[in-house]
Amino acid sequence: RKEVEQDPGPFNVPEGATVAFNCTYSNSASQSFFWYRQDCRKEPKLLMSVYSSGNEDGRFTAQLNRASQYISLLIRDSKLSDSATYLCVVNRRGGSQGNLIFGKGTKLSVKP
Amino acid sequence: GAVVSQHPSRVICKSGTSVKIECRSLDFQATTMFWYRQFPKQSLMLMATSNEGSKATYEQGVEKDKFLINHASLTLSTLTVTSAHPEDSSFYICSARGRDYGTSMGYNEQFFGPGTRLTVL
Repeated sequence: RKEVEQDPGPFNVPEGATVAFNCTYSNSASQSFFWYRQDCRKEPKLLMSVYSSGNEDGRFTAQLNRASQYISLLIRDSKLSDSATYLCVVNRRGGSQGNLIFGKGTKLSVKP
Repeated sequence: GAVVSQHPSRVICKSGTSVKIECRSLDFQATTMFWYRQFPKQSLMLMATSNEGSKATYEQGVEKDKFLINHASLTLSTLTVTSAHPEDSSFYICSARGRDYGTSMGYNEQFFGPGTRLTVL
């Protein structure tokens, strides 16, 4: 089983749609969780951290369920500029000493 | 702040040659640098972790004699792909982590370079 698994995608949605991405992780000792965004042929960029209580940043809402080892990202009112690949990322060993484990990513394409 | 650069951004070379990729933290001291590789439609895979002044720690399956990493200063790490072959063609991305960029979760954020696209003919 892969350490981080995501929806295979791709997701093709119209502008204004709400889209949700799911992710599961296998290492129960993981302590830090993130969503990154990666544009085609570019480096990944941190979108947001994911907190146990859930957190929101504008149109983006991230949730974490430690018991199920499940992470989600919700994007409301999709924009054309949201088109990218969204990477679920987990800190392998937890804390500041751990390294990042990336999911394969889910590609989102927002159409006019 | 927290800018990481990579050079070159793209390189095409013949099979058997060696290629050096530089990763620099421009406005902070990177105590740790990471090297990743990403094949098309695949996830980023960590190759190695290097701390300034010490030997790199390689992930399982990554040949340390083929991928030479040097982290001689707090702002520069280099990855040399020795005797490159077509199967080494990939997108190589570095990231840097410094002491001062912690989050409320106690995690020191990694900042990624723009990547180097290597094509070996």
